[in-house]
Amino acid sequence: DAGITQSPRHKVTETGTPVTLRCHQTENHRYMYWYRQDPGHGLRLIHYSYGVKDTDKGEVSDGYSVSRSKTEDFLLTLESATSSQTSVYFCAISGGRPGAEAFFGQGTRLTVV
Amino acid sequence: ELKVEQNPLFLSMQEGKNYTIYCNYSTTSDRLYWYRQDPGKSLESLFVLLSNGAVKQEGRLMASLDTKARLSTLHITAAVHDLSATYFCAVVGDSNYQLIWGAGTKLIIKP
Repeated sequence: DAGITQSPRHKVTETGTPVTLRCHQTENHRYMYWYRQDPGHGLRLIHYSYGVKDTDKGEVSDGYSVSRSKTEDFLLTLESATSSQTSVYFCAISGGRPGAEAFFGQGTRLTVV
Repeated sequence: ELKVEQNPLFLSMQEGKNYTIYCNYSTTSDRLYWYRQDPGKSLESLFVLLSNGAVKQEGRLMASLDTKARLSTLHITAAVHDLSATYFCAVVGDSNYQLIWGAGTKLIIKP
């Protein structure tokens, strides 16, 4: 794996609680992404970052926020978790030009009950 | 808006057979990627295709790109069980910051 660590790897939380997922990279890549993966939907982009404190929304950003205060860390927060946010979340990084090859973390399986 | 369609979405085949997975996309793009995902695992990059007519091969997998037809194919030759996985194609989106993903093709190869 290209130096990407996601934490936690598994989490069960209750509806209405805030949840933060962490992505840490050691590759010094500029671009970082949060995706969710659900059966039948492939990968859907939640938010992405193109530099420290530079973030933007993806196609399914409602209910999520992100922060990137350091190059190596990209945090995804579910402000008030809902059952529809039960999913597998992947962090990805890429360097060089925008849209370059992405390398993925191991994923976080989140269950909202 | 860029859309990416893969077909088939599910494929069950016997070892030793050949087959092709198709990836169509709706607008022009200068890069296409193929990834592999094993059950419960992360995604692994297989191929990057950068130009019209590009062909990449690794082992029993060969990927090609026709930008005029907006079509990429992933061809499997003499399939073996170890190639069982879900295969995704992804295309650089309009914003250039993101990849637009196909829904994936789940490939099961029976011994």
